[in-house]
Amino acid sequence: DVKVTQSSRYLVKRTGEKVFLECVQDMDHENMFWYRQDPGLGLRLIYFSYDVKMKEKGDIPEGYSVSREKKERFSLILESASTNQTSMYLCASSLSKLFAYEQYFGPGTRLTVT
Amino acid sequence: AQKVTQAQTEISVVEKEDVTLDCVYETRDTTYYLFWYKQPPSGELVFLIRRNSFDEQNEISGRYSWNFQKSTSSFNFTITASQVVDSAVYFCALSEVLSGSARQLTFGSGTQLTVLP
Repeated sequence: DVKVTQSSRYLVKRTGEKVFLECVQDMDHENMFWYRQDPGLGLRLIYFSYDVKMKEKGDIPEGYSVSREKKERFSLILESASTNQTSMYLCASSLSKLFAYEQYFGPGTRLTVT
Repeated sequence: AQKVTQAQTEISVVEKEDVTLDCVYETRDTTYYLFWYKQPPSGELVFLIRRNSFDEQNEISGRYSWNFQKSTSSFNFTITASQVVDSAVYFCALSEVLSGSARQLTFGSGTQLTVLP
C-alpha cells in the first residue's frame, strides 16, 4: 500500500514565523502535490513537483514555496506565516507526471496561525 | 477553465437508505478523467474511482455505483443500502488531458454525507 506521511497532524504558529510542512511518500512516485483545504472551497492546488528539484505553481502559490531535494520528500514552506494561511494542508503523490493517475493523500496537517 | 460543481453541500440519510451524490463538470476538452474521493473524519482522502471520458459504461463496486453521462456532463455516485461507516465528505474531481499529458486535478467543493443509525 502507498503510504504518504506528513510531519504533523496539528501545528500552531505565530504570525510572521517561517513554517515547514514535510511530506514523505514510500512508493517511488514521481509526482507530489501540496493542497490546502478550506470549508466550501474543496481542495486547491498550491504547488506540485514531477521530479526532484522540479516544481510548478498551482492555483494559489502566493505566500508559499516548496522544496524537493529527494524523490520521496516534498516540503511546503510558509516564509512568513499569516492568519489567512490557517487551513488544512494535504500532501499527495501519484505514480507519474500524468495527472490521470490517482493521487494518494496523507492525513493532513491542520495549521493555525495566530 | 475546467470546473466541478457539487451542488449538495450536506446530505443526511438513515442507514440502509440509498443515496446519490451529484457531480457536474465543465471542460472544453474531449479527453479528460473524472475521479471520486472519500474523506472520512480521520482526514485522509481515499481514492474510489477513475473514469476516462471515452468510457461511458456505468460501474458497480459492491454497494457503490457510478453513473457517467457525457450528454449532461455528470458523474454521479450512488451508495446503496448506506451504512454509518459511509459518513464522510465525498469529492468529485476532474483532470483534463492536453497534448499527451494531463493538467492539474480540479476538485469540487465536496458533499458531506451523514448516515444516521
